[in-house]
Amino acid sequence: AQTVTQSQPEMSVQEAETVTLSCTYDTSESDYYLFWYKQPPSRQMILVIRQEAYKQQNATENRFSVNFQKAAKSFSLKISDSQLGDAAMYFCAYRGNDYKLSFGAGTTVTVRA
Amino acid sequence: NAGVTQTPKFRVLKTGQSMTLLCAQDMNHEYMYWYRQDPGMGLRLIHYSVGEGTTAKGEVPDGYNVSRLKKQNFLLGLESAAPSQTSVYFCASSYPPSGYGYTFGSGTRLTVV
Repeated sequence: AQTVTQSQPEMSVQEAETVTLSCTYDTSESDYYLFWYKQPPSRQMILVIRQEAYKQQNATENRFSVNFQKAAKSFSLKISDSQLGDAAMYFCAYRGNDYKLSFGAGTTVTVRA
Repeated sequence: NAGVTQTPKFRVLKTGQSMTLLCAQDMNHEYMYWYRQDPGMGLRLIHYSVGEGTTAKGEVPDGYNVSRLKKQNFLLGLESAAPSQTSVYFCASSYPPSGYGYTFGSGTRLTVV
């Protein structure tokens, strides 16, 4: 399995502020996909954003954006204008040519009112 | 609603008992997966299937068996449950070679006492 590393077990952010979650991965493949999933207390896995490795442009979905650095094998998630509903566990995930999804250990995001 | 349905949602087993977790999807997805989620370890792949009648081992297959007799169903079996199998189990499906991620079920919380 590919190795996906999330080095921040927990992050805290003030409401309306910005927080950045880190993710690095290890691969020898050139074509792959990267994802960020959100898991609220309901346990449901919700796709936040995806990035195709062959695209240089960083993906953006409303208040969520990524900084994809292919050479550095880095894929960070930025949450802007944080809201109370953003509080959750966030997982970085990698999908290679074998179509299997490998996950990082997760980062718990707390939003302070 | 279209999606992935897991049953049961909660279960308590005694050590040595057996059980089967059922995953059903109605999206005509070819690939299906079983993951387990443990604190601090993210989601780890147990077994997966690339089509009806096929199964393959993932990252942590020991103690589990699977079957995919019908395209829409993917069963995960525990023949002799152990406390180390206490976890939250997720089923997911995907349509390769789509890079649009995966659809997850809502999870099954299993406790082995």
